[in-house]
Amino acid sequence: EDQVTQSPEALRLQEGESSSLNCSYTVSGLRGLFWYRQDPGKGPEFLFTLYSAGEEKEKERLKATLTKKESFLHITAPKPEDSATYLCAVQAGDYKLSFGAGTTVTVRA
Amino acid sequence: GAGVSQSPSNKVTEKGKDVELRCDPISGHTALYWYRQSLGQGLEFLIYFQGNSAPDKSGLPSDRFSAERTGGSVSTLTIQRTQQEDSAVYLCASSLASGLTNIQYFGAGTRLSVL
Repeated sequence: EDQVTQSPEALRLQEGESSSLNCSYTVSGLRGLFWYRQDPGKGPEFLFTLYSAGEEKEKERLKATLTKKESFLHITAPKPEDSATYLCAVQAGDYKLSFGAGTTVTVRA
Repeated sequence: GAGVSQSPSNKVTEKGKDVELRCDPISGHTALYWYRQSLGQGLEFLIYFQGNSAPDKSGLPSDRFSAERTGGSVSTLTIQRTQQEDSAVYLCASSLASGLTNIQYFGAGTRLSVL
């Protein structure tokens, strides 16, 4: 069974204080790893898909990287509007995503 | 519409009652998914539709849960004889198709509270 573990559960940052979120996974035949952002009361919002080890993608202050066993989401010089829960998911088959429990990031001004 | 639409946004019901949750996917998306999100837990896959067919119902927790999709568009998730453990946020997602480039776009969810 696919397993996705995210750490830490919660992260409190000062504005401008860079940090990283971890997503460790166990899956048979990874087809894609997804990062989503979820704000309170809203559905997950797609950020990135990574397909193979060594791949990196960037969007504004966020950068996602992938190895054979884990993915990192780096937040560079975060702002308060980056506060959200960040979800990691893996796809092994054609459609089903297996999600981690998420990391809740709070950025203080 | 511009995104996945779900209704109602909130539903409070009494134990033992039946509830229906609706999902209107992004126009043109052939694949549709239902997930459940409980407090402090990751999203739990419930069911997948390709067109009007549901090739994978493996995530439905019990036979009290059922879902259908009509016209390749709107989907309804029905929970019969609700129990308190059914309380959660039910999320619907859609994608252009299944497969490697399957990016699932989510609605805002229906928060179900069973008293």
